[in-house]
Amino acid sequence: SQQGEEDPQALSIQEGENATMNCSYKTSINNLQWYRQNSGRGLVHLILIRSNEREKHSGRLRVTLDTSKKSSSLLITASRAADTASYFCATDDVGGSYIPTFGRGTSLIVHP
Amino acid sequence: SQTIHQWPATLVQPVGSPLSLECTVEGTSNPNLYWYRQAAGRGLQLLFYSVGIGQISSEVPQNLSASRPQDRQFILSSKKLLLSDSGFYLCAWTGTGVYEQYFGPGTRLTVT
Repeated sequence: SQQGEEDPQALSIQEGENATMNCSYKTSINNLQWYRQNSGRGLVHLILIRSNEREKHSGRLRVTLDTSKKSSSLLITASRAADTASYFCATDDVGGSYIPTFGRGTSLIVHP
Repeated sequence: SQTIHQWPATLVQPVGSPLSLECTVEGTSNPNLYWYRQAAGRGLQLLFYSVGIGQISSEVPQNLSASRPQDRQFILSSKKLLLSDSGFYLCAWTGTGVYEQYFGPGTRLTVT
């Protein structure tokens, strides 16, 4: 199974700025998910976008999916210090199981 | 509502000692259960998953084993720990036919 690759590996911004993280993958997918992990904690599911969707919103989160480019982006608007965490994308391959494959994550630091 | 528990939260064990990590889920029945390992600054590596009692699938050959003695209980074990077994172990569950995973708080294992 493939692994999504997040970019950048690390991102440092000031509170109030927007944060954009990208995820690229190699083969066709059913769904793409984004998760958040605070330091030393378990992952928390943020949002799932299906392969036939192009954009989804949840609060200050905006996720886009471009299947032609095999990429997705996660935008966090008006970031807060509490958004400091690692963010992972996870993909489900077409014809595969329901088990997502996780990337290595983007480490986001939001300075107050 | 559903909750997932893992214990212990932290563990320091000498090389060659046995290991038993436990994960339990409440508020749901017949969940799919997963064990992941996360090395420092890395993504998640799927170790085992289970779709039912006594049904275990292993993703990678390793020094570890898993068991599911009850519907909502998932145990990760080792007879003799290696230094390379150190890491952050995460248990997760999903509903049948559902992609979103829900993670426990994790166990930090240090093998000395």
